Amino acid sequence: AQKVTQAQTEISVVEKEDVTLDCVYETRDTTYYLFWYKQPPSGELVFLIRRNSFDEQNEISGRYSWNFQKSTSSFNFTITASQVVDSAVYFCALSRGAGNNRKLIWGLGTSLAVNP
Amino acid sequence: EAQVTQNPRYLITVTGKKLTVTCSQNMNHEYMSWYRQDPGLGLRQIYYSMNVEVTDKGDVPEGYKVSRKEKRNFPLILESPSPNQTSLYFCASRAGQGAINEQFFGPGTRLTVL
Repeated sequence: AQKVTQAQTEISVVEKEDVTLDCVYETRDTTYYLFWYKQPPSGELVFLIRRNSFDEQNEISGRYSWNFQKSTSSFNFTITASQVVDSAVYFCALSRGAGNNRKLIWGLGTSLAVNP
Repeated sequence: EAQVTQNPRYLITVTGKKLTVTCSQNMNHEYMSWYRQDPGLGLRQIYYSMNVEVTDKGDVPEGYKVSRKEKRNFPLILESPSPNQTSLYFCASRAGQGAINEQFFGPGTRLTVL
């Protein structure tokens, strides 16, 4: 069965702290894709990143970085020098990479509060 | 601007009064989907559509209907709403039929059924 676990329900940090959001997944597929989405207080869902299972290179985008480790089935998300605007719910999701796949498997999300 | 639009954004209704939430995308995406988001339950898929006239049930389809007569539109219909359908609803679309591409989400519709 496929599953995504975001064990951290809520995280609270002070501005400028670094914070890592954990995502652990389960799948038997050899080809799959992992995603992170952000849901700020305004409610919309915003795509952040997609990673396929054959690319284990870490990704950095400004203050955001992602660490993909197949050995531990994890795709963790780090925000460096957090800011109040980073306050949001962050979702990790998994999809199969082949066939007539139809949907994503979503984690339950991690609510991040960055306090001034 | 590439976008997914939903209407209405907010709706308060009463039990049993049929309603439709519209969804439209301007990206010529084949795949469209409806989700509901509830506290502690995350995002759950209601229905999805792989293309025009092709729809299928997601994880929580009971009490909902959809149609896909045109590529750009994917309305969600609640024939007889009940209080347990009070939720935040999202429409999404993505290119292609496989799940390898990112989804674009609408702004959400907050529905309250009294």
